[in-house]
Amino acid sequence: QVQLVQSGAEVKKSGSSVKVSCKASGGTFSSYTISWVRQAPGQGLEWVGRIIPILNIANYAQNFQGRVTITADLSTSTAYMDLSSLRSEDTAMYYCVRDLSSGYFDHWGQGTLVAVSS
Amino acid sequence: EIVMTQSPATLSVSPGERATLSCRASQSVSSNVAWYQQKPGQAPRLLIYGASTRATGIPARFSGSGSGTEFTLTISSLQSEDFAVYYCQQYNNWPCFGPGTKVDIK
Repeated sequence: QVQLVQSGAEVKKSGSSVKVSCKASGGTFSSYTISWVRQAPGQGLEWVGRIIPILNIANYAQNFQGRVTITADLSTSTAYMDLSSLRSEDTAMYYCVRDLSSGYFDHWGQGTLVAVSS
Repeated sequence: EIVMTQSPATLSVSPGERATLSCRASQSVSSNVAWYQQKPGQAPRLLIYGASTRATGIPARFSGSGSGTEFTLTISSLQSEDFAVYYCQQYNNWPCFGPGTKVDIK
């Protein structure tokens, strides 16, 4: 059974950075893609970007280009999302999700709440 | 950039009734559409992919249809556990989601 376990909630100041981790178990980490999806309070879902761990190739949504870096460590089956220059609008739940390289998301992490204060 | 829209924003349905949710893409996405269910305080759950294929463990009362730009999620007989928000997502290009349809109790 695939499980994605994310790091705990974060409270950050505007202008700082946050790094969220996502550890995968079950399945073969090198055979799939990990995406990050965020959800602001009371709002819908927004794709942030993805990484193909076996190729170490990352792609980012246009809205986040230049501010987000997604990495992966094959040795620990862990993916990371680093978001910089935080602003209040980045306050959201951030989910890591598994994509079997098809584009839809069949397993979701429990979410990590990132709160940005001024 | 592909934009996904969903209608209605809120659907009020009585238990046991049929619910029909719509999703439209701004350009053709072939059959590359997925549907997710989200309950309060929980992560979304995959229901349908490929526009019409139920994900593992999803009850048969959930069905999806459509191709191109028009898609539909149908819940044939609403159970109490089905009251939730439903999102469509296209993956023909970079992933993007619709704004969601909230299904609540009439």
